[in-house]
Amino acid sequence: DAKTTQPTSMDCAEGRAANLPCNHSTISGNEYVYWYRQIHSQGPQYIIHGLKNNETNEMASLIITEDRKSSTLILPHATLRDTAVYYCIVFGAAGNKLTFGGGTRVLVKP
Amino acid sequence: GAVVSQHPSWVICKSGTSVKIECRSLDFQATTMFWYRQFPKQSLMLMATSNEGSKATYEQGVEKDKFLINHASLTLSTLTVTSAHPEDSSFYICSAFGGWGYTFGSGTRLTVV
Repeated sequence: DAKTTQPTSMDCAEGRAANLPCNHSTISGNEYVYWYRQIHSQGPQYIIHGLKNNETNEMASLIITEDRKSSTLILPHATLRDTAVYYCIVFGAAGNKLTFGGGTRVLVKP
Repeated sequence: GAVVSQHPSWVICKSGTSVKIECRSLDFQATTMFWYRQFPKQSLMLMATSNEGSKATYEQGVEKDKFLINHASLTLSTLTVTSAHPEDSSFYICSAFGGWGYTFGSGTRLTVV
């Protein structure tokens, strides 16, 4: 599975949009981009995933570049409860083992 | 949506004893489950892949005799930490593919004293 690169940390103001970048330049054609987040002392929580097209759900939006080498997770209106570590993961098939990078530690400030 | 239940959420045990952690897929069948370990302020590290009805596959550096994995049914995988020592204290998390993608348990905080 392709490797991903994310910034180590970022701060965000409460109520503002948080844009989390992820680089996955070695992604293959059949690999999806998944985003999870982990709030302190909990298991990772699924946020959103996509293959080629931009996606939106009740939690976030996912913007994938046309060449699929990078993506951005957008939290439209960050709240204090969005403070967490966000992981961008790329993998191709169900059953493949997931490898976690360092993720981005997001701190939402009042 | 897919739910993975993990128990216990926390456990304290004495050095030298064994501890069993259960991971259940509640509304889907999981032929494959994964076990991770996480130390403070670090990312999740994959320990092993649990396959229903067959032996688990361990990542390099993980002692299979110390971390026993049993995946006896399509909804249950267990991780037993044998002869636990303080350095085994960590946050253990299981995962299975279901729903939109991989679903994770809530984790087990193991403290060995």
